[in-house]
Amino acid sequence: QVRLQESGPGLVKPSETLSLTCAVAGYSFSSDYNWGWIRQPPGKGLEWIGIVSHAGGTAYNPSLQGRVSISIDTSKNHFSLQLTSVTAADTAVYFCARDREGGVCDPWGQGTLVTVSS
Amino acid sequence: QSALTQPASVSGSPGQSITISCTGTSSDVGGYNYVSWYQQHPGKAPKLMISDVSSRPSGVSNRFSGSKSGNTASLTISGLQAEDEADYYCGSYSSSGSPHVLFGGGTKVTVL
Repeated sequence: QVRLQESGPGLVKPSETLSLTCAVAGYSFSSDYNWGWIRQPPGKGLEWIGIVSHAGGTAYNPSLQGRVSISIDTSKNHFSLQLTSVTAADTAVYFCARDREGGVCDPWGQGTLVTVSS
Repeated sequence: QSALTQPASVSGSPGQSITISCTGTSSDVGGYNYVSWYQQHPGKAPKLMISDVSSRPSGVSNRFSGSKSGNTASLTISGLQAEDEADYYCGSYSSSGSPHVLFGGGTKVTVL
């Protein structure tokens, strides 16, 4: 079955760029699904960040527009998140997930904690 | 954009039924049959329990069911069990502004 695994630095300095990668195993990218990122600040709820299609098309949370970029590398079976100009408010567990029509996220990666601090 | 509105907590005794509500607008919950529900245990990733308002993925207990009326969706857990104690989040496609997904603030379910 499809499995997703996030990776990247666990600590990022304020004003720098957060970069994460999600490796996908057990599934080949196709037009049936999009691939997305969701985050969860400690002790708080879920926030949808955005998605990328297998062809590279994207959609982002309007509240993060301008700072967020999601890309896909089908040859390496992974997709990536970049969030620029981070502040402490961007500290969260970041999850990647497969996304289908209607914004259904399933399955999810285990998540990775990213802390923004100097 | 505002998150969907869920009660902060719901509780019930084993064997009872509980219902969690998720209120949005005509641009999200009320406008599309694209409401999902997720279960999250502490320290774990969310798990899809219901999609498309009322569809249950393979492997999810039939004690979980979803419905929608107007701008409010609901998740009902029948025959409440200790393992159902978790946080539950609703999610919905939204067409307000650019297309995106909204989540509810989450509901803590406690089994008494």
